[in-house]
Amino acid sequence: DAGVIQSPRHEVTEMGQEVTLRCKPISGHNSLFWYRQTMMRGLELLIYFNNNVPIDDSGMPEDRFSAKMPNASFSTLKIQPSEPRDSAVYFCASSLTGGTVGEQFFGPGTRLTVL
Amino acid sequence: GESVGLHLPTLSVQEGDNSIINCAYSNSASDYFIWYKQESGKGPQFIIDIRSNMDKRQGQRVTVLLNKTVKHLSLQIAATQPGDSAVYFCAENRAAGNKLTFGGGTRVLVKP
Repeated sequence: DAGVIQSPRHEVTEMGQEVTLRCKPISGHNSLFWYRQTMMRGLELLIYFNNNVPIDDSGMPEDRFSAKMPNASFSTLKIQPSEPRDSAVYFCASSLTGGTVGEQFFGPGTRLTVL
Repeated sequence: GESVGLHLPTLSVQEGDNSIINCAYSNSASDYFIWYKQESGKGPQFIIDIRSNMDKRQGQRVTVLLNKTVKHLSLQIAATQPGDSAVYFCAENRAAGNKLTFGGGTRVLVKP
């Protein structure tokens, strides 16, 4: 298994631009999570999906952030417009849940720099 | 690779010694706990987990201890190796659903 796949691995953009981060979860997993990691705030959950449906988006910072999961094998996290304070490493994780919480498998992350 | 945190508590360990990493959690209703290891430039990697109906669980060279009375979790690494140098995070399932809440992390540095 290839594990969780994220793209791009690095993104440098200018303030005001739209940024789209992509994630392919592990095949067969039914939960997908987007996290943001910064030095100041550590690892924060932004949103998670179960069976492609958003369950908890309370961690999404503001309306500039949106996430979609059109099918079981693909999810996007979009920031529009981007701001310098959005600079962070964004991780996608997936898990197979059958009623109880379990291990989440993380991707390699996307390092976003907003100038 | 990315710097996870400049102000993380750091544990310096001599190669071959045992390491103990501690974590305090806040919600007495949390029923699932997990330890992750994050190496520079990589995503967190699962080490071991434990459910609240247990107080100890062992893996390969690692042991997790859970003390629900004082809401404390620890990770013990036996015979620490240079490859164990990383940031270690504990996480808890604090609320219903599949959500995990992560602690701030501890950096482990293994000295040769």
